[in-house]
Amino acid sequence: SQKIEQNSEALNIQEGKTATLTCNYTNYSPAYLQWYRQDPGRGPVFLLLIRENEKEKRKERLKVTFDTTLKQSLFHITASQPADSATYLCALGVDSSYKLIFGSGTRLLVRP
Amino acid sequence: EAGVAQSPRYKIIEKRQSVAFWCNPISGHATLYWYQQILGQGPKLLIQFQNNGVVDDSQLPKDRFSAERLKGVDSTLKIQPAKLEDSAVYLCASRQGSSYNSPLHFGNGTRLTVT
Repeated sequence: SQKIEQNSEALNIQEGKTATLTCNYTNYSPAYLQWYRQDPGRGPVFLLLIRENEKEKRKERLKVTFDTTLKQSLFHITASQPADSATYLCALGVDSSYKLIFGSGTRLLVRP
Repeated sequence: EAGVAQSPRYKIIEKRQSVAFWCNPISGHATLYWYQQILGQGPKLLIQFQNNGVVDDSQLPKDRFSAERLKGVDSTLKIQPAKLEDSAVYLCASRQGSSYNSPLHFGNGTRLTVT
C-alpha cells in the first residue's frame, strides 16, 4: 500500500543545534516534494519545494534533500531557535494533476 | 495579497445534524482543495477543484459529504448527516494554475466538533 511516514514522536532539541526531520514514502513515484510548517490552530504554511531531479535545496537556515533511490527526504533547520517549534509536514506531488498528499507531520520542540 | 478565508472558525453540532463550511480562495487561484485534518494526523484530501470542475473526489464520503465551487471562486463543503468521526479541522487551500508544483495556500480551517 502507499505510505508517507514521518516520525510520530516529537523531536526535542537544544537551541542552536540542527534539527533533522525525515519523510519516507513507499509505492509512490513523486514528481516533487514540498515541506510545510503548521502552528497550533493555523493552516500549514509552505516552506520549500524540491523536484525529483534535484538532490538538495536551501533557503536561509533550511535545507531539504531528496533521494528517490532511498525514497526519502530530509529536512534540516540549522541554528534552531525556539520560534522554530512547530509541526512540519512533508507532502508528495505524485504527478501533474496538482494533487498533493501529506504525511502525518513531526512536531519539533526547540528548548531555549 | 489577501489569504484564503474560511468560516466559521469553530462549529459544534450534534450527530445526525448538518453543517456547512465556506471558503474564499486567493483571487485568481484556479485550483481549490478541501482537506480534513484529524487531531495528530496530516491533512487528508477530500476533494480538488480545477476552476469549477471536480478533478478528484475519490476520498470524499459521498453518502454524507458534498462540495461545490460556484463560478470557479468560492466553495462550500457540507456534511449531512454528521457522525462523531467527522470531528476534525476542515482546511481549504488554493493554488495558482500556472505551475503544477506551485505551493498551496491554506486558510486557518474550521474546527468541527460532533457530539
